[in-house]
Amino acid sequence: SQQGEEDPQALSIQEGENATMNCSYKTSINNLQWYRQNSGRGLVHLILIRSNEREKHSGRLRVTLDTSKKSSSLLITASRAADTASYFCAVSGNTPLVFGKGTRLSVIA
Amino acid sequence: GAVVSQHPSWVICKSGTSVKIECRSLDFQATTMFWYRQFPKQSLMLMATSNEGSKATYEQGVEKDKFLINHASLTLSTLTVTSAHPEDSSFYICSAGVGGGAGNEQYFGPGTRLTVT
Repeated sequence: SQQGEEDPQALSIQEGENATMNCSYKTSINNLQWYRQNSGRGLVHLILIRSNEREKHSGRLRVTLDTSKKSSSLLITASRAADTASYFCAVSGNTPLVFGKGTRLSVIA
Repeated sequence: GAVVSQHPSWVICKSGTSVKIECRSLDFQATTMFWYRQFPKQSLMLMATSNEGSKATYEQGVEKDKFLINHASLTLSTLTVTSAHPEDSSFYICSAGVGGGAGNEQYFGPGTRLTVT
């Protein structure tokens, strides 16, 4: 299975702090994507990083990819209460996206 | 851009009835759409891949006769849960691929919460 596995499962931080979530996977991939899901809502695409990229930025988000270690990290800087959500990584090879179980992030104001 | 809508947002139905969920790409054409199911505090599980004009490809363990998928056009895919049972209660989410390939960026609908009583 190409399922990504997020770590930690849950994370609670104070507003303004940085939040780091990790994702590990087992097989070769074409790209890795991070999504956010607010409780009971659909998924919002955050960022896609291709297998030949090592780092990508989007606003307060920074994603790294280490294909040798088969891992990726998502860093949210200067977190806000509105960042409270579940974050999923999804890896894609030659098959549709397979999602990990997610990291539940709570940002306390 | 790249907005995907789902209808209805939530539905409550009686056991034994059928429910149809629509997934539409509003501002782009989606050759491929995906249907996922998510149980509370669980990850999304891919149910099937829907290709316009052809039969859907179902994941292992998903009953194709129970979860009927029709991709009638490049902007519409439907999922019909036939003879629904309480264990089918779940959050169903569709997505549409941008770029035509399964490995490309996907945009997700807001989801449909199905409750079978």
